[in-house]
Formats: sequence, C-alpha cells, structure tokens
Amino acid sequence: KAGVTQTPRYLIKTRGQQVTLSCSPISGHRSVSWYQQTPGQGLQFLFEYFSETQRNKGNFPGRFSGRQFSNSRSEMNVSTLELGDSALYLCASSLRPGQVGNTNEQFFGPGTRLTVL
Amino acid sequence: GIQVEQSPPDLILQEGANSTLRCNFSDSVNNLQWFHQNPWGQLINLFYIPSGTKQNGRLSATTVATERYSLLYISSSQTTDSGVYFCAVGLGGIYNQGGKLIFGQGTELSVKP
Repeated sequence: KAGVTQTPRYLIKTRGQQVTLSCSPISGHRSVSWYQQTPGQGLQFLFEYFSETQRNKGNFPGRFSGRQFSNSRSEMNVSTLELGDSALYLCASSLRPGQVGNTNEQFFGPGTRLTVL
Repeated sequence: GIQVEQSPPDLILQEGANSTLRCNFSDSVNNLQWFHQNPWGQLINLFYIPSGTKQNGRLSATTVATERYSLLYISSSQTTDSGVYFCAVGLGGIYNQGGKLIFGQGTELSVKP
C-alpha cells in the first residue's frame, strides 16, 4: 500500500505570494491533518479534515486555509506569504476511530519544504 | 492545553550503547506515538502506544497512562539510529480532537562509531 504523498517537495516563493500544497492520504484513510515544523516553534498542528469538513484547527492566522476533496485528498493554501512562513509542512493521514479496529494512529508524508524570500 | 515534555533534549552515545528517552504529558490521552525524523524530514512511525508495552527489534516502548509518561528504549544503538525522536499525544475520539497530535520538542540523538 502506498504511503502518504505530498507535492511539491520543495517550493520557493517571495513575500506576498500565495502557495498551495497537496497531500494524498494512504488509500482508505479519510482523515488528513496538516502540521508546520520550524526550528523555533517545533511541530505545530494546523488543521484536520475528515469527510471534507474541517474538524480541528490550530492557532494559526486566517491566511492558512485548507480543504478536502471527496477522494480524501487535501490541499492547504497560504496567502500573502511572510518570511516566517518558511517551514517544513507535513501532512498526515489516519483511519479515524469510530469503526471496530480503527485507531487514530497518524502516518506522515515526506513533507513540502517552503522557503519564502 | 496539554503539554508534552521530552528529555533529554540531546543525547550522544557510542555505538552499541543503550538509551532511554522519556516523554511526560500533562493530561489523559488516547493516542501516543513515537516517531524518528530522518535527515530529509520525514517522520517515521516507531510505535503507536497509548498504553502498555511494545517491542520492535532493538526498540521498545512503554506507556504508563495513569502516571502520564512514556519511555522509548533503544538497545545496542547504531549510527543509523541518529536523528530526532519525537513523542506526540492526541486526544478525543471521532468528533473531538481525534486528528490533532501535540508534539514534544524532541530528543536529538547522535550515535558515534
């Protein structure tokens, strides 16, 4: 079974631009979560999507948004980029509990490394 | 919100040595995972262990949920074990924070040949 995939792997943008990152979960997984990793703040939760609905949201400004499609693929968008948005963006997928045998164990993709100049 | 603390922050070992990494958390959780972050940034799943003990080769983990801590043991360490180890905890079920992990700051392990 293929793992979580993220595209693109690397991205360079300039301040003020916007960016869209994509995540394809493991087949059969319906929950997708996004995280930002920076040297100063560590790994921080951005948001989670399940059944095309945002279920949880971290403490990030409204410039960070996302969506999920009917096939569970997810995208996140960052508008009006700032230098501080330079980070590794990680996506994770999970089955979500609620069905017998399911856990909420998360599996991560390789990440998208965003550099804002 | 829930706090996750990992210790030690840094650890240097000679190849073949054993080590114990600790993760303390401040509230009841229903998900606890250990990860190893490789040099390219990907988080590799080591254990899903909200409670109990598990072993996988040279690695084992124990979570004592009632006392709010988890331990990751690495035996006979190898240079390939180097990297950052993260503990992450999660709360709730399907409609309550189920997809949110809170990470510790990590333990950076360096294994010398």
